[in-house]
Amino acid sequence: GAGVSQSPSNKVTEKGKDVELRCDPISGHTALYWYRQSLGQGLEFLIYFQGNSAPDKSGLPSDRFSAERTGGSVSTLTIQRTQQEDSAVYLCASSLPGRIYGYTFGSGTRLTVV
Amino acid sequence: AQSVTQLGSHVSVSEGALVLLRCNYSSSVPPYLFWYVQYPNQGLQLLLKYTSAATLVKGINGFEAEFKKSETSFHLTKPSAHMSDAAEYFCAVSDSGGYQKVTFGTGTKLQVIP
Repeated sequence: GAGVSQSPSNKVTEKGKDVELRCDPISGHTALYWYRQSLGQGLEFLIYFQGNSAPDKSGLPSDRFSAERTGGSVSTLTIQRTQQEDSAVYLCASSLPGRIYGYTFGSGTRLTVV
Repeated sequence: AQSVTQLGSHVSVSEGALVLLRCNYSSSVPPYLFWYVQYPNQGLQLLLKYTSAATLVKGINGFEAEFKKSETSFHLTKPSAHMSDAAEYFCAVSDSGGYQKVTFGTGTKLQVIP
């Protein structure tokens, strides 16, 4: 597609429920990243995909968080047993391989855990 | 380890005045540096990037930044602020040789006063 698409744009869930956040990157972008942006905070790195593999998942905050990518394209970030501290905007970005390229970000999913 | 420090979480300027947003980086290897802008309820958009070519980099919307190795700085400037420049600005650094992991600063919110 023309840009990075994230869905849903907003998600309100009850504490303890599982949620899935979806990211559809730009076609041909082999690198995909998830970041979390909390109120008043900067961007917190979660995980990086190159193709379907995740060579760096060091930012996932706990084992309640997982992510996968299929077909070198769509990625899903899953949060199990959501907690109130999981409330944040989850941003997905994609890029061509190599440091010279910047990221293209999606508009994010605003997750609210009540 | 790479990091960036943005001085000032909030900056206010009058419309038509100079915009100066400060960023200092820390990197063990020659860095690539980026500025991103985030408008309300949107993802981040790449403004400009330094990738070891010219030290003065011009970006979109009239912004530019100068890489100063001696000062480890990459400050963002614009000669004349417009109301539409009101947004949050993030400085970012990438020095990973293996892949394009980017570390973001905590952001500076720019307010433009009419």
